[in-house]
Amino acid sequence: GDSVTQMEGPVTLSEEAFLTINCTYTATGYPSLFWYVQYPGEGLQLLLKATKADDKGSNKGFEATYRKETTSFHLEKGSVQVSDSAVYFCALSDQKTSGSRLTFGEGTQLTVNP
Amino acid sequence: GAGVSQSPSNKVTEKGKDVELRCDPISGHTALYWYRQSLGQGLEFLIYFQGNSAPDKSGLPSDRFSAERTGGSVSTLTIQRTQQEDSAVYLCASSPGGHAVDEQFFGPGTRLTVL
Repeated sequence: GDSVTQMEGPVTLSEEAFLTINCTYTATGYPSLFWYVQYPGEGLQLLLKATKADDKGSNKGFEATYRKETTSFHLEKGSVQVSDSAVYFCALSDQKTSGSRLTFGEGTQLTVNP
Repeated sequence: GAGVSQSPSNKVTEKGKDVELRCDPISGHTALYWYRQSLGQGLEFLIYFQGNSAPDKSGLPSDRFSAERTGGSVSTLTIQRTQQEDSAVYLCASSPGGHAVDEQFFGPGTRLTVL
């Protein structure tokens, strides 16, 4: 079945550091890929998405590129801020094999220190 | 506009009792999803509604779990004879059309604690 694997966490960075959170997936169809974020005390919200190979999703300085050849969707940000501290979830949705439900990775806790 | 709302925000119950969790999706969204977030299992899919029908119930962990949706809007997740392993945050999400490319909008969740 479909699955998503995220890098082991938690991740602690200093403000203005470069961020990468790795995400790889397994899917038999052609999934759409998402990054969702959960800020402290808040609900899950979409950060960015990409729906086909080589697409780049971007939002709030974060970027991720859909790489079909490596089955990856790594999240990057050039300069993190304290306000980026949150839990980040990589997810996929594969209409052909599992409809529109989301399959999530384990989540990565990011803490950014001033 | 209003987002997805869920009630109650917190529920503490005793083992063996039944509980009902409610979800109000964004108006006009035809698709509604229930997920569960727990420390040991991460975020798991439970059930998907398109309108009032549930074409995908594959994530419900046992026959103690059931859900319904009425009027293409409000949904209720019912857990019968609750067990301690049911303790988790239950999340509801809705999307405009239920397509794989659609963003799902999540509610704040109901934290269920089974004593």
